[in-house]
Amino acid sequence: TAGITQAPTSQILAAGRSMTLRCTQDMRHNAMYWYRQDLGLGLRLIHYSNTAGTTGKGEVPDGYSVSRANTDDFPLTLASAVPSQTSVYFCASSDSERGDSNEQFFGPGTRLTVL
Amino acid sequence: GQNIDQPTEMTATEGAIVQINCTYQTSGFNGLFWYQQHAGEAPTFLSYNVLDGLEEKGRFSSFLSRSKGYSYLLLKELQMKDSASYLCAVRDSNYQLIWGAGTKLIIKP
Repeated sequence: TAGITQAPTSQILAAGRSMTLRCTQDMRHNAMYWYRQDLGLGLRLIHYSNTAGTTGKGEVPDGYSVSRANTDDFPLTLASAVPSQTSVYFCASSDSERGDSNEQFFGPGTRLTVL
Repeated sequence: GQNIDQPTEMTATEGAIVQINCTYQTSGFNGLFWYQQHAGEAPTFLSYNVLDGLEEKGRFSSFLSRSKGYSYLLLKELQMKDSASYLCAVRDSNYQLIWGAGTKLIIKP
């Protein structure tokens, strides 16, 4: 079982360029999330989607956009990258946004460097 | 504001026991999670507490006191492979996870 995959694994991007980070899960989870992880800070939520067709803003949404056209895919787009967006990006999914444990499952991450 | 505090780094000896503490102040509480993250890898789920008390899972146990805003993760019979960062996260009133910065655990032979 693939679980949750992300692409690319890593990327160096020139400031001002746009980029889409891809995330796909095969677990039929209804909720998906995008986090960034920076040294010394906890994971910070960028955007989330509770179900296909809906999205919401997390703690640090500025400069990022998402879409959720179907259950499996949840791409994250940087319209015009800036150096402060250098980070490791993790996509995650969970069976439901409510109820009991419903732990989140994480993809392997995308390491993005913006120069 | 919302805040999750845990020690930045801890060192322990192979075969010993270590306790990693986590204190939290969040808007609402709907469960507390512990995740393990090896360097360069994704976080993986370890435990979940929503009621006060101890949850045991093999060598790992997690404790919660909601009145004190406090949890700990207890790791017994430490192995070298337990060297990793341990992340504490609280699910708030919006059912979103608020994450601590993680505790890097170094295991020495």
